Amino acid sequence: SAVISQKPSRDICQRGTSLTIQCQVDSQVTMMFWYRQQPGQSLTLIATANQGSEATYESGFVIDKFPISRPNLTFSTLTVSNMSPEDSSIYLCSVGEGRNTEAFFGQGTRLTVV
Amino acid sequence: AQTVTQSQPEMSVQEAETVTLSCTYDTSESDYYLFWYKQPPSRQMILVIRQEAYKQQNATENRFSVNFQKAAKSFSLKISDSQLGDAAMYFCAYRRGGGADGLTFGKGTHLIIQP
Repeated sequence: SAVISQKPSRDICQRGTSLTIQCQVDSQVTMMFWYRQQPGQSLTLIATANQGSEATYESGFVIDKFPISRPNLTFSTLTVSNMSPEDSSIYLCSVGEGRNTEAFFGQGTRLTVV
Repeated sequence: AQTVTQSQPEMSVQEAETVTLSCTYDTSESDYYLFWYKQPPSRQMILVIRQEAYKQQNATENRFSVNFQKAAKSFSLKISDSQLGDAAMYFCAYRRGGGADGLTFGKGTHLIIQP
């Protein structure tokens, strides 16, 4: 299993600003995943972050808007840039790789943009 | 691309009764995994049950079991003896085999437990 700490747990931000979300895992993992959960909606994969390489973004998500860092095997950050109210969501970090392995999730960051 | 469909936005069940949540998926892969996750108001995603596509036997975890119909691409979750603590959003999810991909989620089913 894996324990994931995500910070901050919530924040209220002004439009036009940026917020960086941190994700710390208690074990070394190759891949970390970032998801967005818009109000009342399901989870959508934003990107996959591998240590030592650029993140791979899903369709509809771009690096300029959601830059990701992955400096080591236990840590990653997701930045939500130039925020607008449409970015108000829960952002979740997840790990889990290899065959027959479940995905573990952080507790999420609830972001409200005003 | 794979898709996951949950056609029941909300379900309600009496405490101690049995409820079944539906999920269908579409994929061209033969090697994949299916999951049911529970998300209570705390936002924490909790794994309920997991099914490997290569296994014919349906997975069970205590009061939770699945009906996995691979040919029909159906993966329903049965909750027996429903308890108040089962109230949550339930998400069906798919992951391609190999373990290097993220999950594709359905839209979720809000489960209400009536006391």
